[in-house]
Amino acid sequence: AQSVTQPDIHITVSEGASLELRCNYSYGATPYLFWYVQSPGQGLQLLLKYFSGDTLVQGIKGFEAEFKRSQSSFNLRKPSVHWSDAAEYFCAVGGSNTGKLIFGQGTTLQVKP
Amino acid sequence: DADVTQTPRNRITKTGKRIMLECSQTKGHDRMYWYRQDPGLGLRLIYYSFDVKDINKGEISDGYSVSRQAQAKFSLSLESAIPNQTALYFCATSDLGRAYGYTFGSGTRLTVV
Repeated sequence: AQSVTQPDIHITVSEGASLELRCNYSYGATPYLFWYVQSPGQGLQLLLKYFSGDTLVQGIKGFEAEFKRSQSSFNLRKPSVHWSDAAEYFCAVGGSNTGKLIFGQGTTLQVKP
Repeated sequence: DADVTQTPRNRITKTGKRIMLECSQTKGHDRMYWYRQDPGLGLRLIYYSFDVKDINKGEISDGYSVSRQAQAKFSLSLESAIPNQTALYFCATSDLGRAYGYTFGSGTRLTVV
């Protein structure tokens, strides 16, 4: 079955610290992978996506993610977190032939001053 | 104006009432989607449409119906609202031919009492 798991429901980091949000997926075909961010009261904004090629992808707001096929993972990282990064983050997987995205449960990021 | 507009932004309705949530887009995308977001469950797909004559059920379509009135408009109806349909509803659009990213609306917060 196709699924996305974000093991961490809630993460708290100090401002300036590094961040890694985990994402594991199960998908039968070649996956397209995405990270979205949702600020309070807002819709979802695309941070970055992976289709093929270089397994380390750069996104907006200083985020990056690494695709590891052997681990079925697509973890999101940021070297230094800012207070404005506090939000909910969603990992999603899709395929070229489906046109649909399957979302993980989301990880809420809290940033301590 | 936003690329994907959802109306209303907030709605409180009574159990048993019929309610329609509307979505319009200026992206020119063929594909439109309705998701619901519940805490701890992420986003789950209700219905999706790849063009005006193509409507498909998602993973949680029971109790919902949709209408694709035009390429730019995709409405979601709750025929007889029940309290467990209280959620945040998102409309999204995508254009598979242009790198497969979704554009989300700002969401409709629906409360069924």
